[in-house]
Amino acid sequence: EVQLVESGGGLEQPGGSLRLSCEASGFTFSNYAMSWVRRAPGKGLEWVSTISGSGGGTFYADSVKGRFTIARDNSKNTLYMQMNSLRAGDTAVYFCAKETLDDGAFDIWGQGTMVTVSS
Amino acid sequence: ENVLTQSPATLSLSPGERATLSCRASQSVSSYLAWYQQKPGQAPRLLIYDASNRATGIPARFSGSGSGTDFTLTISSLEPEDFAVYYCQQRSNWPPIFTFGPGTKVDIK
Repeated sequence: EVQLVESGGGLEQPGGSLRLSCEASGFTFSNYAMSWVRRAPGKGLEWVSTISGSGGGTFYADSVKGRFTIARDNSKNTLYMQMNSLRAGDTAVYFCAKETLDDGAFDIWGQGTMVTVSS
Repeated sequence: ENVLTQSPATLSLSPGERATLSCRASQSVSSYLAWYQQKPGQAPRLLIYDASNRATGIPARFSGSGSGTDFTLTISSLEPEDFAVYYCQQRSNWPPIFTFGPGTKVDIK
């Protein structure tokens, strides 16, 4: 079964750090670009970051550039997001998502992990 | 940045009725235009990719059309499980930057 399982969310103070993980199974992980997408309470979906299958290319939304770092370990079939200098505006459910090979869409999603930034 | 606008913000319909959702881009979109359904407490589900191709397992009542800057998602006859929020999404060719529309909520009239 193709599956993505996120972990690592929680409550953190402004200025703090968290690391999210997303474990993949059921497909050849290294063949696919992977992304993080978030949904803040009461708001819509927002793309956060993407990493290429090899890990050599990384891309970020302006809202997180310089604070968040996406990474992957293809030997462990795991995607990561290191989140530093957290702000209240980063409060959201964070989803990891698998991109299709050639269509620019996300065909597999994890269940999401909640990140709350509050003092 | 290619901004996506969705209309209407809310669509109130009854089961069995036809739903027509619009997505407009501020700049011409490559073929990378997708539609998702999201229900409360759940992850988004891919419905349509490349503007008009149904994803695996998606019922035939869902169809997508359009090109350039104007796209449409049509649900031919609403089932009770179709009441949800629908998002369009595009990806730029390079660098790969993804943008979502603000969503259309389809609720029960």
